[in-house]
Amino acid sequence: DSGVTQTPKHLITATGQRVTLRCSPRSGDLSVYWYQQSLDQGLQFLIQYYNGEERAKGNILERFSAQQFPDLHSELNLSSLELGDSALYFCASSPPLFRGQVGELFFGEGSRLTVL
Amino acid sequence: AQSVTQLGSHVSVSEGALVLLRCNYSSSVPPYLFWYVQYPNQGLQLLLKYTSAATLVKGINGFEAEFKKSETSFHLTKPSAHMSDAAEYFCAVTPLDDKIIFGKGTRLHILP
Repeated sequence: DSGVTQTPKHLITATGQRVTLRCSPRSGDLSVYWYQQSLDQGLQFLIQYYNGEERAKGNILERFSAQQFPDLHSELNLSSLELGDSALYFCASSPPLFRGQVGELFFGEGSRLTVL
Repeated sequence: AQSVTQLGSHVSVSEGALVLLRCNYSSSVPPYLFWYVQYPNQGLQLLLKYTSAATLVKGINGFEAEFKKSETSFHLTKPSAHMSDAAEYFCAVTPLDDKIIFGKGTRLHILP
């Protein structure tokens, strides 16, 4: 158990719909990362938040958005869903840099999204 | 800019044989390097990390990796493969901040 909680574990929805994926980081971790993993694209970095602020942006589509709340949980919103958005979405958290665990990410078990 | 290249998207070895997964990096500064493992239906987990102390790093489950600056490599090895090692392995690099760059992954298949 990594200590990172993601909900829901599985989600099936239709094209054009909107879904929200939720992530609770490990206690004490300030950074949250979102990744998309699919068979054809592999592991793709979407976005990173640090203590509520956007820190880095990767290959995130304009139809997708995310935020990190004051209690440090994060949500990834996916809208106008397309078949190609079907994938595993992972959240990861990392300790603050001052703890000396640079680069150590703790991943949740993922949310599997199926768009029909 | 930092980058990571993993040679071979799929590697097959026989049970009991040597496992060698290759990773090369590019970095303008001495990086921290990592190997992560993803077992089926799970998230990634840290296998081992290099942080400029010892060049030979030991990780969990008998894996180790050697940092070779002259070759800009950080290959992952295990002397004797076990069926439970079947997974996807990701090499990663960080430029000493909280940005992490992952390679595309290598899926390891273990043949009985």
